[in-house]
Amino acid sequence: GQNIDQPTEMTATEGAIVQINCTYQTSGFNGLFWYQQHAGEAPTFLSYNVLDGLEEKGRFSSFLSRSKGYSYLLLKELQMKDSASYLCAVGDSNYQLIWGAGTKLIIKP
Amino acid sequence: DGGITQSPKYLFRKEGQNVTLSCEQNLNHDAMYWYRQDPGQGLRLIYYSQIVNDFQKGDIAEGYSVSREKKESFPLTVTSAQKNPTAFYLCATQGAVESYNEQFFGPGTRLTVL
Repeated sequence: GQNIDQPTEMTATEGAIVQINCTYQTSGFNGLFWYQQHAGEAPTFLSYNVLDGLEEKGRFSSFLSRSKGYSYLLLKELQMKDSASYLCAVGDSNYQLIWGAGTKLIIKP
Repeated sequence: DGGITQSPKYLFRKEGQNVTLSCEQNLNHDAMYWYRQDPGQGLRLIYYSQIVNDFQKGDIAEGYSVSREKKESFPLTVTSAQKNPTAFYLCATQGAVESYNEQFFGPGTRLTVL
């Protein structure tokens, strides 16, 4: 079967760094996405990895290891507005996105 | 302004009633998707369409129906056969299916069955 695992919830302090992990097992691989979703709102795109390595975009970075079926999203200089759920999604062999349940990130002052 | 609109934002339905959720896009994207999201869970695919007049069942299609008569529109009907329809419904589009497959989302419709 197809499966994506993320921690359910994480807590971090404003100004700190947090790493959210995602492991996946899918039929085929056509890229890994990270989305941010604030409560009651739609998901918004954060990053895309298709090759191994680190992609950096401002305060956010995403890493991929295809051989390990593993990715992480790194958030630096945390701000209160970063409190949200972070969804990991993988494109399978049919180019459909398989979604993880999301990680709720709580930022404390 | 390019984007995806969903209406209504909040919808209340009595048990036994059918209800239709609207999704319209002006991004000129071929593919459109309907997802359901329950509290604390990820997105589950209900139906998707890659081209006009064609659509496919997703993982949880039972109790739902769709149509794709125009490229811009992909309405979802929640029928009385759907036993637990209370959820947050998201419509998404994708430019080209067999390529970089970022999906763009509408604002969502929150459906509550009374």
